Amino acid sequence: SAVISQKPSRDICQRGTSLTIQCQVDSQVTMMFWYRQQPGQSLTLIATANQGSEATYESGFVIDKFPISRPNLTFSTLTVSNMSPEDSSIYLCSSLGGSDGYTFGSGTRLTVV
Amino acid sequence: AQSVTQPDIHITVSEGASLELRCNYSYGATPYLFWYVQSPGQGLQLLLKYFSGDTLVQGIKGFEAEFKRSQSSFNLRKPSVHWSDAAEYFCAVDVKAAGNKLTFGGGTRVLVKP
Repeated sequence: SAVISQKPSRDICQRGTSLTIQCQVDSQVTMMFWYRQQPGQSLTLIATANQGSEATYESGFVIDKFPISRPNLTFSTLTVSNMSPEDSSIYLCSSLGGSDGYTFGSGTRLTVV
Repeated sequence: AQSVTQPDIHITVSEGASLELRCNYSYGATPYLFWYVQSPGQGLQLLLKYFSGDTLVQGIKGFEAEFKRSQSSFNLRKPSVHWSDAAEYFCAVDVKAAGNKLTFGGGTRVLVKP
């Protein structure tokens, strides 16, 4: 299965600023995804990152708040824009491919103060 | 609406005792099914998965799960729990017919008593 390197692993940010999270996959994958895990909660899909086209967002998530890039088949970024304390969460990227199906990055723990 | 339900939010089990975590889904088609474990401060680790074939699936760390189509369930079991099994467990479903994406249950936190 693919291995995903996600960074940063954690960050503390001021409200009103933006943070970009990066995920690098060690092989080409068809699909990549971004999830949010709010404190004590399960994972919620933010969007599917499409290579060469705009991401597909789930209900409740919008491009202006969570712009996503996917310039090639091994890399994607998620930006959390104009942050507020409510954005404090763990953000995880995922890829689809290989025998295990889905692989996850180690997550980015974001605290907004 | 399509959903994944883990009825137990918390389970406390004694070390050495058996463990069963429940997962039910509501989808029209048979989905691909997964169980993940998340230790505190860690990412998600795949325990096992079901795509097709034998409905009893063996996974890592001594876990197994059984897919029951008639009950729309995919319960996770371990015969003898170790203290290191204390973690959050997530059931997840991928309904191919709806496009590739995972939908997660709410999770079950397992506490292990010595």
